[in-house]
Amino acid sequence: DAGVTQSPTHLIKTRGQQVTLRCSPKSGHDTVSWYQQALGQGPQFIFQYYEEEERQRGNFPDRFSGHQFPNYSSELNVNALLLGDSALYLCASSLQRGNEQYFGPGTRLTVT
Amino acid sequence: QKEVEQNSGPLSVPEGAIASLNCTYSDRVSQSFFWYRQYSGKSPELIMSIYSNGDKEDGRFTAQLNKASQYVSLLIRDSQPSDSATYLCAVWGAGSYQLTFGKGTKLSVIP
Repeated sequence: DAGVTQSPTHLIKTRGQQVTLRCSPKSGHDTVSWYQQALGQGPQFIFQYYEEEERQRGNFPDRFSGHQFPNYSSELNVNALLLGDSALYLCASSLQRGNEQYFGPGTRLTVT
Repeated sequence: QKEVEQNSGPLSVPEGAIASLNCTYSDRVSQSFFWYRQYSGKSPELIMSIYSNGDKEDGRFTAQLNKASQYVSLLIRDSQPSDSATYLCAVWGAGSYQLTFGKGTKLSVIP
């Protein structure tokens, strides 16, 4: 049973640049949520995608955007990177009618 | 603003003891509650979910929920050094599609 996968594992970017992170959900899941986890903090909800639409958004600026593809995979895009965007970015997948979310291994983003 | 509160720890227990982790939440209409385990440098792993008042047992883990007190806990029996990790409490609210997490409690099981 294929779990949630994310790429890349690590990424180093410079302030002002743009980044795209990718996620493939667990087999059979159709919903993808993205979270940001700063060091020593719990994950913070960015947004959720279902049926290729953003279904709910957390308290993140418009610099954070996403997309879901017909095969349920998803991308997270962050524009105009700030030092404060350095964090572990987590993708979680679930069933549309379920709320148990399963996380991928994460992408560690460092902004210098 | 919905909040989930956890004691950040660290909580140290000897091997073989019971570890008790606690969590309170502010949104009274929250419906579903989850415990995740996160090893250092890794992503969160779902270990328990609970939806109704009372206890739910799974192996060495027991989740307890008291909606009237807005309180959820996780007991780990016969704690092992491999249980040393940060435990995250997460809450799913009514009419919401997001999990709200606490900051986590760091557990250290001493051999």
